[in-house]
Amino acid sequence: AQSVTQLGSHVSVSEGALVLLRCNYSSSVPPYLFWYVQYPNQGLQLLLKYTSAATLVKGINGFEAEFKKSETSFHLTKPSAHMSDAAEYFCAVSAPRGSQGNLIFGKGTKLSVKP
Amino acid sequence: GAGVSQTPSNKVTEKGKYVELRCDPISGHTALYWYRQSLGQGPEFLIYFQGTGAADDSGLPNDRFFAVRPEGSVSTLKIQRTERGDSAVYLCASSLVGTSVDTQYFGPGTRLTVL
Repeated sequence: AQSVTQLGSHVSVSEGALVLLRCNYSSSVPPYLFWYVQYPNQGLQLLLKYTSAATLVKGINGFEAEFKKSETSFHLTKPSAHMSDAAEYFCAVSAPRGSQGNLIFGKGTKLSVKP
Repeated sequence: GAGVSQTPSNKVTEKGKYVELRCDPISGHTALYWYRQSLGQGPEFLIYFQGTGAADDSGLPNDRFFAVRPEGSVSTLKIQRTERGDSAVYLCASSLVGTSVDTQYFGPGTRLTVL
């Protein structure tokens, strides 16, 4: 069975500081991995996804994530936090390739950005 | 173009009542998913439609939950004899073809409160 673990339910950084949100996955087959962001009272929005091409994936709003098979990780980073990055972030793994693609989500990490 | 829309945005009902939640996917998307997000948790898969048929309903918690998509577009999630434990945000997502690499686009959700 596939699963996702996000370390840290709440992360706080200062504006301009590095953002690092951790995600580890468990999968018996090569996974597809996703990061979604959820702003208050809005739907989940895709930040980026790993689909077995380049291991370093660049997304929207300056975010990127690196797939590390040896560590079963897909951590999300951004070099310099902005106030507008305050939101909840979800890591997800897709059901095995060839199937219908329902997502298995982590519990989420709420990011706060201090001025 | 228009994104995924869900109505109502909020629904308050009493224990034992019947409720219907509606999802309008992005036009042309053949795949439609329902998820449930409880407080402090990530979204959990409920059911997946490919066209008009429910291709995977393995996430529905019990037989009080049912969903339809009669014309392959709008979908309705139906909950009978609601219980307080059904209180959650119900999310709908659609994707173009429904494979595991496909991007899912989420609606803003319906917040269901069962008193």
